[in-house]
Amino acid sequence: AQSVTQPDIHITVSEGASLELRCNYSYGATPYLFWYVQSPGQGLQLLLKYFSGDTLVQGIKGFEAEFKRSQSSFNLRKPSVHWSDAAEYFCAVGPGTYKYIFGTGTRLKVLA
Amino acid sequence: GAVVSQHPSRVICKSGTSVKIECRSLDFQATTMFWYRQFPKQSLMLMATSNEGSKATYEQGVEKDKFLINHASLTLSTLTVTSAHPEDSSFYICSARDLDRASTDTQYFGPGTRLTVL
Repeated sequence: AQSVTQPDIHITVSEGASLELRCNYSYGATPYLFWYVQSPGQGLQLLLKYFSGDTLVQGIKGFEAEFKRSQSSFNLRKPSVHWSDAAEYFCAVGPGTYKYIFGTGTRLKVLA
Repeated sequence: GAVVSQHPSRVICKSGTSVKIECRSLDFQATTMFWYRQFPKQSLMLMATSNEGSKATYEQGVEKDKFLINHASLTLSTLTVTSAHPEDSSFYICSARDLDRASTDTQYFGPGTRLTVL
């Protein structure tokens, strides 16, 4: 069955520290992979996506993610976190049957 | 580019009334739009897939007579919550696939609508 797992429900980092959010997926074929960010009370904003090619993808706001087929992972990273990065982050896999499958999300808290 | 709007952003209604939520793709055409529901501190739950000019496809467990979806044009889909009850209170988010970028299969999300049923 297709699924997305985000093992960390909450993560707290200090401003300026590096960040890595984990995402593991189960999928029958090479997936399309996405990371979205949601600020409180807001919709989802696309950070980055992977379809094919270079397994290290760059996104907006200084984020990057690396697709590792052998580990079925697509972890999101940022070298230096800013206070404005505090939000909920969702990993998603698609299109499969046309639908996205979302992970349960990771809530990021940034300490000043 | 790829902007999706929703209206209203927030609505409060009395139990038993119906509420309509609009989802528009502002700068692209979308043959397919999706409606999600999100409970507090939880992930998005896909409710239905809306296809322009045809009936929506509902996910298992979603009452199609309660959540009416209309996708009358390439830029507009509406979700009507009929005879709303307090348990329908939630955050509803729509997304749209860009017709011209179908090969990339990226969904663009609206800002969401907070529905509160009293």
